[in-house]
Amino acid sequence: GNSVTQMEGPVTLSEEAFLTINCTYTATGYPSLFWYVQYPGEGLQLLLKATKADDKGSNKGFEATYRKETTSFHLEKGSVQVSDSAVYFCALIAEGRRALTFGSGTRLQVQP
Amino acid sequence: EPEVTQTPSHQVTQMGQEVILRCVPISNHLYFYWYRQILGQKVEFLVSFYNNEISEKSEIFDDQFSVERPDGSNFTLKIRSTKLEDSAMYFCASSWDRDIQYFGAGTRLSVL
Repeated sequence: GNSVTQMEGPVTLSEEAFLTINCTYTATGYPSLFWYVQYPGEGLQLLLKATKADDKGSNKGFEATYRKETTSFHLEKGSVQVSDSAVYFCALIAEGRRALTFGSGTRLQVQP
Repeated sequence: EPEVTQTPSHQVTQMGQEVILRCVPISNHLYFYWYRQILGQKVEFLVSFYNNEISEKSEIFDDQFSVERPDGSNFTLKIRSTKLEDSAMYFCASSWDRDIQYFGAGTRLSVL
């Protein structure tokens, strides 16, 4: 079946540090890939997406590249801020389906 | 900016009781979804709904669950006879197409 694996959290960084959150997936065909973010007390918000191999999604300084050969979609940001503290979810929609399959989420804590 | 609205934010019920969770999707969206997140676990897909019928459902979505779009704006999830293990955060989402799903802030269901 389809699945998404994310690195365990929490990830604790100092402000302006470089962020990587690893995400790998298992799916047949060509899924669409997503990163969602959940701030405290709020719902899931789409952060970025990529729909085909080698696509790069980007938003608010975050980036992720769809790597078909390594089945990965790692999230990166060059300089994190305290306001980036949240839970980040990697997810996919398998080809021909509509359901999002989520990873377990990674909590990011950024300290001033 | 349009948003998905869920009510109530917190629902407390006794085991065996029926509950209805309510959602108002974004007005021009065509696809509607329910997900749930048991505390400490992954966000899990329950059901998707399109053109007044279920288009996809997971193994979790058994006969105890039903969905309805009773009018042009609301989308509801009914649990007929709640169990302790139904305690979770329930998220509604909607989308215009297969790609981006917009989530509500969730309803926390506590079954006592």
